[in-house]
Amino acid sequence: DVKVTQSSRYLVKRTGEKVFLECVQDMDHENMFWYRQDPGLGLRLIYFSYDVKMKEKGDIPEGYSVSREKKERFSLILESASTNQTSMYLCASRKGQGLTGELFFGEGSRLTVL
Amino acid sequence: AQSVTQLGSHVSVSEGALVLLRCNYSSSVPPYLFWYVQYPNQGLQLLLKYTSAATLVKGINGFEAEFKKSETSFHLTKPSAHMSDAAEYFCAVSVVDSSASKIIFGSGTRLSIRP
Repeated sequence: DVKVTQSSRYLVKRTGEKVFLECVQDMDHENMFWYRQDPGLGLRLIYFSYDVKMKEKGDIPEGYSVSREKKERFSLILESASTNQTSMYLCASRKGQGLTGELFFGEGSRLTVL
Repeated sequence: AQSVTQLGSHVSVSEGALVLLRCNYSSSVPPYLFWYVQYPNQGLQLLLKYTSAATLVKGINGFEAEFKKSETSFHLTKPSAHMSDAAEYFCAVSVVDSSASKIIFGSGTRLSIRP
């Protein structure tokens, strides 16, 4: 089974802190994604990566950056956390460059910024 | 731009009743569509996907969806609801962006089951 593991299920940070959310997948998938989930807004794509060291902005990249130094790991970075970044963050991976492949999700990281 | 719209943020049905969750897509090309389910405190998992092989797609847990091009719809149904179906359901579409493909989600529909 594909496994996507997010390093922290729950985090509490203070405004202005730098936050790292880590995601690791074990099925050699080329593509990895970070989504943000908020009530009534569904999942919104922050950043995605289709290869090592490659990254593409999603729909809401402002205030975030990413790093993909190894194929299995995709990190989401909040350089200076703000209260409006309190949310559930979901990492996912996907095989290949076609349009039919499904996403495999981690269990999510719930971030609270005080 | 390709997108999906889910009608109804919350649907409540009685146990044993028909479940109908609505999704409409916007696309100028044949879309690749998905339904995902999210149980409380978990990530999303795939229920089913449409890839143009057949208009009626069967998924896990007794769910199915029918692709209707004339109505630009991909509604999710289940003949008889079970208490364990209570969850949030997301419709999604696969699109090409730059040199890669990504999946865009609808806003979700929370399904409640009444005993």
